[in-house]
Amino acid sequence: EIVLTQSPGTLSLSPGERATLSCRASQSFSSSYLAWYQQKPGQAPRLLIHGASSRATGIPDRFSGSGSGTDFTLTISRLEPEDFAVYYCQQYGSSPPWTFGQGTKVEIK
Amino acid sequence: EVQLLESGGGLVQPGGSLRLSCAASGFTFDTYAMTWVRQAPGKGLEWVSAIRANGVNTYYADSVKGRFTISRDNSKNTLYLQMNSLRAEDTAVYYCARFVILGVPRPFAYWGQGTLVTVSS
Repeated sequence: EIVLTQSPGTLSLSPGERATLSCRASQSFSSSYLAWYQQKPGQAPRLLIHGASSRATGIPDRFSGSGSGTDFTLTISRLEPEDFAVYYCQQYGSSPPWTFGQGTKVEIK
Repeated sequence: EVQLLESGGGLVQPGGSLRLSCAASGFTFDTYAMTWVRQAPGKGLEWVSAIRANGVNTYYADSVKGRFTISRDNSKNTLYLQMNSLRAEDTAVYYCARFVILGVPRPFAYWGQGTLVTVSS
């Protein structure tokens, strides 16, 4: 089973700043199957990034993903007020379990 | 428009049972794998179970194996999760989601709004 570890646990930033979130896997896997989700309080998660770097439909271009092997990154170039939320990475290959990282909370400083 | 609507959550005593449903619309249900993901209060996302489009192949997290059963009725466009021998640690919001396993795997692109299951005496 691939274990995903996200860091930091909490990121305190101001609107307009750049956010860099990390997701590290316990073993290497295809970057084709790494996704990022955003979740706001009381809402279901929303898919942001798939294939490590492809934005989902309707996702603004201030969100970008990168990485391969065991190290992946989600970058928000300039934080908007609506971007303060919790972010999860996930590996979603053809075999279970389809595990999530523990999440990174991006909060207003 | 893809829509997923969960129902069936509620309060149940430890050791009890509950069946969740997820009604799907806006897409060809029998061509997609479906999954359940849960989130305990104040905690992160935990994958629970999944089922292929054909309804034959099913998968479970170790934490629920032997207690939960996933199924689907493609004629009714509905996904189910039968939960038996419930424990306090099963308390969570349960989400259903759509994804793709075969061919080029796709992530959990569409989610329902969730249904709350509370296991307590």
